[in-house]
Amino acid sequence: AQRVTQPEKLLSVFKGAPVELKCNYSYSGSPELFWYVQYSRQRLQLLLRHISRESIKGFTADLNKGETSFHLKKPFAQEEDSAMYYCALVGTPGSARQLTFGSGTQLTVLP
Amino acid sequence: KAGVTQTPRYLIKTRGQQVTLSCSPISGHRSVSWYQQTPGQGLQFLFEYFSETQRNKGNFPGRFSGRQFSNSRSEMNVSTLELGDSALYLCASSFIGMNTEAFFGQGTRLTVV
Repeated sequence: AQRVTQPEKLLSVFKGAPVELKCNYSYSGSPELFWYVQYSRQRLQLLLRHISRESIKGFTADLNKGETSFHLKKPFAQEEDSAMYYCALVGTPGSARQLTFGSGTQLTVLP
Repeated sequence: KAGVTQTPRYLIKTRGQQVTLSCSPISGHRSVSWYQQTPGQGLQFLFEYFSETQRNKGNFPGRFSGRQFSNSRSEMNVSTLELGDSALYLCASSFIGMNTEAFFGQGTRLTVV
């Protein structure tokens, strides 16, 4: 069975500090991993996916197959980064149609 | 381009009733997936439709069903509502193919009393 674990429900950092949101997964094959973000009163939206290897809004995430992790990082947090972040996986690479989500981490960036 | 539209936004129903939620995908998107979001269980996959056929199903009882129309619009139905069905129901649409992205609607908030 596939599973995504986000150990931190809440995370607070000060503006300008580095931030890391943890995500671990279990899946027997080679999944595709995503980070989704939900800003206050907005819909859930894709932040980044591991196959793209992009940096979006200063965030990066590296897939570590040995540790089965896909942690989200940003070197200097901004107040506008405050949001709910969800890590998700699909078992069929390239298909975002059946996502397994973690429980989410509420990030608060303090001034 | 219009985003994924879900109607209604809010709904209050009584235990034992049934409810139908609607989702209009982004134009050109043929896949529609449904998710249930609750504080206790988080976001859970319900089912996915494309070409008017259910392709995948999550671990939910048979009271949860859906369908898709030829224009890709989708409905989900919950029969014999229980208090535990109170949740935010999200719909997501995407293209079919590789490297697709799921675009989410704003959800329908269902309260069962």
